[in-house]
Amino acid sequence: DAGVTQSPTHLIKTRGQQVTLRCSPKSGHDTVSWYQQALGQGPQFIFQYYEEEERQRGNFPDRFSGHQFPNYSSELNVNALLLGDSALYLCASSLTGTAYGYTFGSGTRLTVV
Amino acid sequence: AQSVSQHNHHVILSEAASLELGCNYSYGGTVNLFWYVQYPGQHLQLLLKYFSGDPLVKGIKGFEAEFIKSKFSFNLRKPSVQWSDTAEYFCAVTVTGGGNKLTFGTGTQLKVEL
Repeated sequence: DAGVTQSPTHLIKTRGQQVTLRCSPKSGHDTVSWYQQALGQGPQFIFQYYEEEERQRGNFPDRFSGHQFPNYSSELNVNALLLGDSALYLCASSLTGTAYGYTFGSGTRLTVV
Repeated sequence: AQSVSQHNHHVILSEAASLELGCNYSYGGTVNLFWYVQYPGQHLQLLLKYFSGDPLVKGIKGFEAEFIKSKFSFNLRKPSVQWSDTAEYFCAVTVTGGGNKLTFGTGTQLKVEL
């Protein structure tokens, strides 16, 4: 059990559509980070949420947005999907904004056709 | 910006062989270093981490890594691998002043044959 729950596990979308991915952090964690893992690559940092605000952002376009709710759960939204957005999207939770205790979820596999 | 290089993309070993996976990072300041493992169909799990102190770090499942600051390296080692070590291994770094985002290498796929 990863402790971090992501939904859905798999998703197929058409180019131009919008998608929302969801993440419930490990119990006791208050920070959520999102990563994109393309095939054959290491995970790339998208952004991090703490206290319901985006605290840090990686090199991703504004089509990628997120939200954190009062219960610390989070959503990742991607608009105007491109074929290149096909990837495994990972959610990682931690406590008080440190990387010391990241726990990763199993990810959402997004396929854009 | 910091970056991480893992030079071995695919490694095949026989059981009981010794393992060393290379990891180099590029950043001139203070770093925290991590090795994660992803078993088939499972989530990323932390093997070990280095923040400060003894540069030889021991992790779970018999893995260890040595931080060599002069070489900007953090290689992962295991004296004797098992079939169950078949997985993908990722080296990652966070940097002081860079928030706490993890920057990952591209990963090394390890296959251990019986």
